[in-house]
Amino acid sequence: DTGVSQNPRHKITKRGQNVTFRCDPISEHNRLYWYRQTLGQGPEFLTYFQNEAQLEKSRLLSDRFSAERPKGSFSTLEIQRTEQGDSAMYLCASSQQGVGTQKLFFGSGTQLSVL
Amino acid sequence: QKEVEQNSGPLSVPEGAIASLNCTYSDRGSQSFFWYRQYSGKSPELIMSIYSNGDKEDGRFTAQLNKASQYVSLLIRDSQPSDSATYLCHTGGFKTIFGAGTRLFVKA
Repeated sequence: DTGVSQNPRHKITKRGQNVTFRCDPISEHNRLYWYRQTLGQGPEFLTYFQNEAQLEKSRLLSDRFSAERPKGSFSTLEIQRTEQGDSAMYLCASSQQGVGTQKLFFGSGTQLSVL
Repeated sequence: QKEVEQNSGPLSVPEGAIASLNCTYSDRGSQSFFWYRQYSGKSPELIMSIYSNGDKEDGRFTAQLNKASQYVSLLIRDSQPSDSATYLCHTGGFKTIFGAGTRLFVKA
């Protein structure tokens, strides 16, 4: 297992288009998180899964954002009708429930540019 | 008031010196605290975790936690140019809040 994998690494889209990102966590990790990060800021929490259940979703997340983790393994994050303000690095992280929980292991991120 | 506050820096220290990074948090219920290092253009990498009041040492890194003062810090001894990065303070819990990070520059 080589760690958390995210695809694509970069995505350029036009305003109004839909985009979907994928995250494959570390295989034995049952917790998966999505964050958004802009330049000069720390990662901003978007949503959190434990297995296939979405347990928490940021109030900052508009209805244009949706995330799924259908089989408790990989996850997808979809942004509908993208806006220029959605341009950011989207980070996925995973962790293992139990001792040391919330030690997050991050993927390399997907850099989204909305033109 | 932000939930996790850090000085944005930049903090500049000479090679071999001690770098001291500070973080305050607002949620008294927070039980776990983490420091992540993020190099420019890369994703965050966990370097320290601390759960109890006091000091925790790991190599050149020491994390310090004072829950009464809602304060957590990271000391880097014998700073190296390769330590130049942004250091993110993170409180655990479902809300999983990150600070904005402190940029550290270590001058050779």
